[in-house]
Amino acid sequence: DAKTTQPPSMDCAEGRAANLPCNHSTISGNEYVYWYRQIHSQGPQYIIHGLKNNETNEMASLIITEDRKSSTLILPHATLRDTAVYYCIVSGAGSYQLTFGKGTKLSVIP
Amino acid sequence: SQTIHQWPATLVQPVGSPLSLECTVEGTSNPNLYWYRQAAGRGLQLLFYSVGIGQISSEVPQNLSASRPQDRQFILSSKKLLLSDSGFYLCAWSVQVLGTDTQYFGPGTRLTVL
Repeated sequence: DAKTTQPPSMDCAEGRAANLPCNHSTISGNEYVYWYRQIHSQGPQYIIHGLKNNETNEMASLIITEDRKSSTLILPHATLRDTAVYYCIVSGAGSYQLTFGKGTKLSVIP
Repeated sequence: SQTIHQWPATLVQPVGSPLSLECTVEGTSNPNLYWYRQAAGRGLQLLFYSVGIGQISSEVPQNLSASRPQDRQFILSSKKLLLSDSGFYLCAWSVQVLGTDTQYFGPGTRLTVL
């Protein structure tokens, strides 16, 4: 699996959009970008994934650059419950292992 | 909708004792199943995965074993626990859809070996 690079931590004011960047410059053509988050002492929660088009669901939006070398997860209106470690993972079909790096610790501030 | 259960939620065991953690999935058929471990302050490490009943693949050699006696049941076991087995154990499931294989995680079991 390709490696990803994320900032170790970010702060976001409650109610504002949180934009979490991820670099994956060695991504292969058949690899997807997945985002998970882990709230303290809980299992990772799936957020969203995409291949090359931008994606949106009820939790977040995923913006992938045209060259697919980076992406941004957007939480449109961050709440205190969004405080968590966010992981960006690149994985291809048939790859059973998700490689979780250190992620970005997002702190939503009142 | 699909749900995944793990128990127990927390466990404290002495060194040398046996271990059995159970994971069950509801609402889907023939899922891929996974066991991960997260040591304190570290990332998730894939321990085992299974693509069907009785089919187990091990990613890391250790004193743990896994079994899949039923389609939606995955069990993690050890005959003798080590201090280094302490950690947060997570079960996950996935079903391949349109070329993607999104994994969904359970609530986890926090194991402390003393």
